[in-house]
Amino acid sequence: QQPVQSPQAVILREGEDAVINCSSSKALYSVHWYRQKHGEAPVFLMILLKGGEQKGHEKISASFNEKKQQSSLYLTASQLSYSGTYFCGTEDDSSNTGKLIFGQGTTLQVKP
Amino acid sequence: NAGVTQTPKFRVLKTGQSMTLLCAQDMNHEYMYWYRQDPGMGLRLIHYSVGEGTTAKGEVPDGYNVSRLKKQNFLLGLESAAPSQTSVYFCASSFSPQTGGERDEQFFGPGTRLTVL
Repeated sequence: QQPVQSPQAVILREGEDAVINCSSSKALYSVHWYRQKHGEAPVFLMILLKGGEQKGHEKISASFNEKKQQSSLYLTASQLSYSGTYFCGTEDDSSNTGKLIFGQGTTLQVKP
Repeated sequence: NAGVTQTPKFRVLKTGQSMTLLCAQDMNHEYMYWYRQDPGMGLRLIHYSVGEGTTAKGEVPDGYNVSRLKKQNFLLGLESAAPSQTSVYFCASSFSPQTGGERDEQFFGPGTRLTVL
């Protein structure tokens, strides 16, 4: 079942902060975050694993609430380059294939 | 390293025609995936493979077939194309046992834009 992302779209000014949420109805093992710019392929940002391990870029922060099956991506002091569509991908607890189900995406626009 | 490459980049088909999309990776990854992306729908998993010679169905497998005869290649076939298969197709790969874990990032190819008339 597809995870639900919120909000669907965000418009920011440079320097402002944003939070993007991802919620699943299934027990999760991991949550991935990717960013996609228009006409390009998705690019990896971060993985959050059950148990607290995280892998990703130093300038990106995120959280994973295992009890609620929710993850949040925190974008602080946004830059123009942060613009794009953000996707969360979830891997459920029973999978051992790296198989992800992606949310519908959150479009972020950062204006000067 | 070329990473993940996809062939072709663009294709226009007529309804009922067949075609094969090729995905190749040079990172010695075990896992490979095919997604389709439609406006407002995010990325939906079509088929995936956890190793050479293995394939499995994803969320939206109908109308597609796949093969993974060699570890580095993952082929997606459309036997009889339909307008509903107009989409952007992305291939991705992950997991190198030598350097990473099973829950590693997925590396995406540049995509194939397919139009079925």
